[in-house]
Parts: sequence; structure tokens; C-alpha cells
Amino acid sequence: DTAVSQTPKYLVTQMGNDKSIKCEQNLGHDTMYWYKQDSKKFLKIMFSYNNKELIINETVPNRFSPKSPDKAHLNLHINSLELGDSAVYFCASSLPSGGTEAFFGQGTRLTVV
Amino acid sequence: GDSVTQMEGPVTLSEEAFLTINCTYTATGYPSLFWYVQYPGEGLQLLLKATKADDKGSNKGFEATYRKETTSFHLEKGSVQVSDSAVYFCALILKTSYDKVIFGPGTSLSVIP
Repeated sequence: DTAVSQTPKYLVTQMGNDKSIKCEQNLGHDTMYWYKQDSKKFLKIMFSYNNKELIINETVPNRFSPKSPDKAHLNLHINSLELGDSAVYFCASSLPSGGTEAFFGQGTRLTVV
Repeated sequence: GDSVTQMEGPVTLSEEAFLTINCTYTATGYPSLFWYVQYPGEGLQLLLKATKADDKGSNKGFEATYRKETTSFHLEKGSVQVSDSAVYFCALILKTSYDKVIFGPGTSLSVIP
């Protein structure tokens, strides 16, 4: 069983479109994250949710909106896609307050053309 | 603020060479420390971890020791293989009311036969 799964794995879309990336974890974790990895492999945290509540909201354009219907899911919706949004997006989850490791999905490679 | 610094890459080594990737951190409180590995085209996997000072994490021949006095967590391996070619990320998790995961910029390693 995949612990943290993201769909789709690849997403190619035109500028101006709206798209969503889904993330599900079956680990029973309370905390979930979205990270953006740029072409230089730098990982930047975008959002963190704990028990469906937004905890971390880094400086991210408001075109990006996370949605957590339940604590096992954290979806990322992106409006009006721009060329600069092209990157790999990773979902992750962890136990809260335990200092334990985060588990990552396989990533979604978004290409905006 | 809280941060993680890693040595600049890319690092290129011959097979069976000794590997060191330096990692230092700045954090308020007492973080847990991690090394993650990202193989080409894949997500991040936990390589090893240490949760308190002087702990040594080890896995697959890699080791790192949590040094509080030097705020460091350097990754070492005595004899690298071609299959170790990947990007390595040092990370810390701060134990607050929620987990805040902070990654270093990553170090790309290429091992040549």
C-alpha cells in the first residue's frame, strides 16, 4: 500500500487554466504539507495542515488554494496557471508534535506551456 | 530564523570513494534531524534520523551524528556506489504545537564507475 499518494504524476497544461493535484495518506497522520521543488531541486514549503486546519501558509500567490476535506486528504488547487508555476509539487504527512519524519508522495510534475 | 545549510553541489566521486556532505542548522529549541534522499524521478525517502544530541543515525552504510555543540549533522559513507547517485537533503523538524519541517537546499551526488 502506498503511504502517501498523489495524482496525477504528470500534468501538462496551458497558461491560464485551473488545475488540481490530489493527495491522500493512509498513515493516520494529522499533519499534511505541500512543497514546491524548483528546477534546482530546492524545496519550499507552501502549506501545512494539522487536523484539517491551516497551520502554515508561506508566501504563496493566492492563486494557490489548499483544501482538506478530511485529515487524510490535502488537495492543491491552482487558478490561472503561469509559466513560473512549472515545478514538481510534493505532498507529505507526519505525526504532529513528535519530531518524527515526514513521509513524501512521489511528486507531481507540473508543466505550464 | 530557523534554517538548514548544506554544502554546495554537485559532488562527483569515483566508486568506493569516501563521502562527506556537510550540514549545519540554526534552530530555536531542540530539533530532530534527518537526511532524506531523492533518486532521479522519485520522491523523497528518509535515509536516517537522530532525535537528540549525540545520537547517531545510520542506514545503508550512511551515518550522521547529531552534534549540538557545532549544530551539525554531517552525512558520511565509507565507500559510495553508483547506485548512491541522488540528491541528498538535510532537514530538521521543530517540536512545537505542530511539526515544522525545514529542508536544506539539497546536494546532488554523482558517483562514476
